[in-house]
Amino acid sequence: GEDVEQSLFLSVREGDSSVINCTYTDSSSTYLYWYKQEPGAGLQLLTYIFSNMDMKQDQRLTVLLNKKDKHLSLRIADTQTGDSAIYFCAESIGGGGNKLTFGTGTQLKVEL
Amino acid sequence: GAVVSQHPSWVICKSGTSVKIECRSLDFQATTMFWYRQFPKQSLMLMATSNEGSKATYEQGVEKDKFLINHASLTLSTLTVTSAHPEDSSFYICSADPGRSPYGYTFGSGTRLTVV
Repeated sequence: GEDVEQSLFLSVREGDSSVINCTYTDSSSTYLYWYKQEPGAGLQLLTYIFSNMDMKQDQRLTVLLNKKDKHLSLRIADTQTGDSAIYFCAESIGGGGNKLTFGTGTQLKVEL
Repeated sequence: GAVVSQHPSWVICKSGTSVKIECRSLDFQATTMFWYRQFPKQSLMLMATSNEGSKATYEQGVEKDKFLINHASLTLSTLTVTSAHPEDSSFYICSADPGRSPYGYTFGSGTRLTVV
């Protein structure tokens, strides 16, 4: 089945690192994504990882994938107030053209 | 590149009327578009997959006669909420695949529908 869970809320201080976690249940997922949603807006793709990778780094973003535990995390280094948003992980079987299953979303609040 | 434009951004309508939401891919062709619904502080729920030139594929529990989807061209899909009721009030988001797998889908900016 497809079930993607995230913690609901995370609060960090500006300059600290943020770690947002995601667990999924479908072991046949081939691509996993992280999206950012600002209030009243659509979703912005932040990064993705292929299921045979353990880690991917893209500037301030680090994605870790533990396929055995079906656990995905997004680390944002040097978190800024502009990073405040809701973050969704999503999984896809087969990548583009196939439907995404979204996680429950984590609201990140960055405080001064 | 890979921009999806969604219109209108917000709409208020009376109960019983119909509302059409447009989703356009501006710089690519999209044979497949997806329509999502999002309730406040909740995740996105896939409503249907819109296929150019053929019928949409609806997810279980979504009324196809209530949420009419038309994908008449490779750059435009429309979602019409027919005979809207207050419980249809929600944030509707479309997305399209720009064909650059696995780079994920491009999302529209969403439409806030309020039915009064």
